[in-house]
Amino acid sequence: SQQGEEDPQALSIQEGENATMNCSYKTSINNLQWYRQNSGRGLVHLILIRSNEREKHSGRLRVTLDTSKKSSSLLITASRAADTASYFCATGAGNMLTFGGGTRLMVKP
Amino acid sequence: DGGITQSPKYLFRKEGQNVTLSCEQNLNHDAMYWYRQDPGQGLRLIYYSQIVNDFQKGDIAEGYSVSREKKESFPLTVTSAQKNPTAFYLCASSADRVRDQPQHFGDGTRLSIL
Repeated sequence: SQQGEEDPQALSIQEGENATMNCSYKTSINNLQWYRQNSGRGLVHLILIRSNEREKHSGRLRVTLDTSKKSSSLLITASRAADTASYFCATGAGNMLTFGGGTRLMVKP
Repeated sequence: DGGITQSPKYLFRKEGQNVTLSCEQNLNHDAMYWYRQDPGQGLRLIYYSQIVNDFQKGDIAEGYSVSREKKESFPLTVTSAQKNPTAFYLCASSADRVRDQPQHFGDGTRLSIL
């Protein structure tokens, strides 16, 4: 079974709106990472948050981590059509990652 | 530019045939990984290698084999024992000697059965 589970599985929003994706996991982690995948392509690393961090920002991305609830969220602000992709959370123990099933985000122009 | 190159982009396998997927990296990373992705799903780990001449099974290694003779290369063979090989295969690498490192991915090989 997968360590991380994303919610929702699919999300459709208008350009300019914010998109929020959630990830829940089951066991202790060293870090949690978010990746993006465009259709038919490899994954691109977006952001890594360590287990002793609560929030991290990178450009229009904001990630939170709540280790007591074993959950994380990814917020994309002011979304663009180019943000249309699948987004995966991955939990890290050592340098091994376990991926969730992903959230498919569609941003309509 | 440093990165990971997977080839071929598309591959077709006949019944009973073994096929080999190539993965090369010039990032000087110690660790390399192979994942399988089925439509609409996340990634599942097939094999990983943290050092040359050593590799470990992941969650779904049955029907697959790998080698790691060079730091830069980590080819995956899909054997005839893998009865459902149709999937998108992704290779990744990371700087294993440092904690909390992201993985860098190639653009994948899509394998189908003829």
